[in-house]
Parts: sequence; C-alpha cells; structure tokens
Amino acid sequence: GAVVSQHPSRVICKSGTSVKIECRSLDFQATTMFWYRQFPKQSLMLMATSNEGSKATYEQGVEKDKFLINHASLTLSTLTVTSAHPEDSSFYICSARMVAAALYNEQFFGPGTRLTVL
Amino acid sequence: KQEVTQIPAALSVPEGENLVLNCSFTDSAIYNLQWFRQDPGKGLTSLLLIQSSQREQTSGRLNASLDKSSGRSTLYIAASQPGDSATYLCAVPWGGNMLTFGGGTRLMVKP
Repeated sequence: GAVVSQHPSRVICKSGTSVKIECRSLDFQATTMFWYRQFPKQSLMLMATSNEGSKATYEQGVEKDKFLINHASLTLSTLTVTSAHPEDSSFYICSARMVAAALYNEQFFGPGTRLTVL
Repeated sequence: KQEVTQIPAALSVPEGENLVLNCSFTDSAIYNLQWFRQDPGKGLTSLLLIQSSQREQTSGRLNASLDKSSGRSTLYIAASQPGDSATYLCAVPWGGNMLTFGGGTRLMVKP
C-alpha cells in the first residue's frame, strides 16, 4: 500500500513551453501533497504544499505564477511549469500524506520526474 | 527554523562492514524522524520512521535510533552489501506540514 506515482518520469522540452507533471496516490486518499525540487547532488527542497480544494502554499522564492499547482481531487495533484527555461531543469518529486496519517506527518514519495529544458 | 545536518556527506566502505550514518537537527520539538534511501535518478524509499516517543526502530539490517534531547539520530547498517550503495536522507517535520531534509550521505559499498 501507500504507492505514489508520477507521470511522466522524464520529459525534455524546448525553452518557452509549458510542462505538466502529475502526482497520484494510487491506493489511498491524500488531503495534502507536496512538491519538491532536487538539483544534482543536492537534497530535496520543498517548493509548495498542495491541499485538496484550496490554493497551494508556496515556499519563499518559488514563483507561484511559474509553478502552477492544482490539487483537484484527493488522489491527484498537478504541477505545471510554465514558460520553462533551462534553469528550470531539475528533478521534481512529489509526496502525499494520508488522511489517516496526518497527525504523524508520514509522507510517501513518488518516483520523481526528470525535466530537461533545452 | 529547523536545520538538519548529515555527517558524513560521503562514505565508502568494503562489503561486510557495519556502519553508522549520523543526522542532527536543531529543533528538538519533532513529531518523528524519517530515514529514506534514494538511488541515483530515482525517488525516495522510506526506510524507517521513528515516532518522537520511540528510541529506535529496526528493519532487517537497519536500525535507527533517536535522541530528541540531543537532537540526533543514527542509522546503523549491519553487514553492508554493494546493494546498499545509495544516498541516505533523514528528514523531520517542521512547521506542521513540511519535511526538512538533511543534505544526505552518499554511501558506496565496494565488493
């Protein structure tokens, strides 16, 4: 149980285009999903917290108009990188927190999406 | 603000050795602490989660301990194998929602 999937696993796009990444909790409901970014040989940095049915909360320094987050259901959150530029190239990882596990904050992570912007 | 530090940043050991990875955090008011494994280019695999009321958790060859008062956790790997080679990350919840990650320890176990 507690499986989180991401799609696509890898995407290459041209500068200026928009890319959508999906994060799904496959066998549980998640009121909260988190989006992280990881640069090579660095740890994960939280970008935003996505709550089902409400606006996402962005961390300082993360542009909300560039990284659009939609948490439309208890099993799906999407991250859209708008007008992508080469500096947006990174590994994007989502995680989901079970409704039942909210008190303990255990998060389950997706396999990540490698974005390369040419 | 919670800060998490992992030492060493990188570790290379011969197969069969027992080893200890260290994690320290600045704010001891935590609900739990989690250890993850990350293989190159992959997502995170949860290894162990220790609740704040617990002192340690064990899973197979892995044992994680937690000392809240000193702001420390250790991950002990017994009889290391080449398949254990990966980056190990510790993380603690902070601000009610977010996880704060340490910088990770890159482990290489040589055959």
